[in-house]
Amino acid sequence: GNSVTQMEGPVTLSEEAFLTINCTYTATGYPSLFWYVQYPGEGLQLLLKATKADDKGSNKGFEATYRKETTSFHLEKGSVQVSDSAVYFCALMYNNNDMRFGAGTRLTVKP
Amino acid sequence: DGGITQSPKYLFRKEGQNVTLSCEQNLNHDAMYWYRQDPGQGLRLIYYSQIVNDFQKGDIAEGYSVSREKKESFPLTVTSAQKNPTAFYLCASSPDRDSTDTQYFGPGTRLTVL
Repeated sequence: GNSVTQMEGPVTLSEEAFLTINCTYTATGYPSLFWYVQYPGEGLQLLLKATKADDKGSNKGFEATYRKETTSFHLEKGSVQVSDSAVYFCALMYNNNDMRFGAGTRLTVKP
Repeated sequence: DGGITQSPKYLFRKEGQNVTLSCEQNLNHDAMYWYRQDPGQGLRLIYYSQIVNDFQKGDIAEGYSVSREKKESFPLTVTSAQKNPTAFYLCASSPDRDSTDTQYFGPGTRLTVL
């Protein structure tokens, strides 16, 4: 079945460090891929998405590229800030009735 | 402002009680969803509804019930049959049942069984 595996956390970085959170997926066909962010006590917010192979999603300095050959959608940011501290979820979707989430990766950025 | 609202933010329940979590959206979305989130885990789908007066079970529907009498509302009832109901509950909606567009999430309700 369709599933998402993402890097286990927690991840702790210093401000301005480079961030990578790995995400790989298992799916038949070509799903859409998403990264969501969850701040403490809140719901999920869409961070970025990509709908086909080689697409790059980007938002707020975060980027992820849809790699069909490696079935991956790794999240990157060149210079993290304290305000980026949150839980990040990778997800895939074929249609709105079948959306699968990874377990989440908690990121803490220290000043 | 358009969006999804959930209430209450925090809810406490005694064992053996049924409780209902509210979810309302003014985005004119056709589809709505309920997820459960447990610590250190991803979201698991409880129920979804693609259209008014219709809903389908998700992966973990046992012990839960829903209704979809209005397009903008999709309440979730956690019944006494749900053995481990303490969790964070998230409601979501999407524009079209056949869409591959993203789902939009509410702020969540944290349910604690005393």
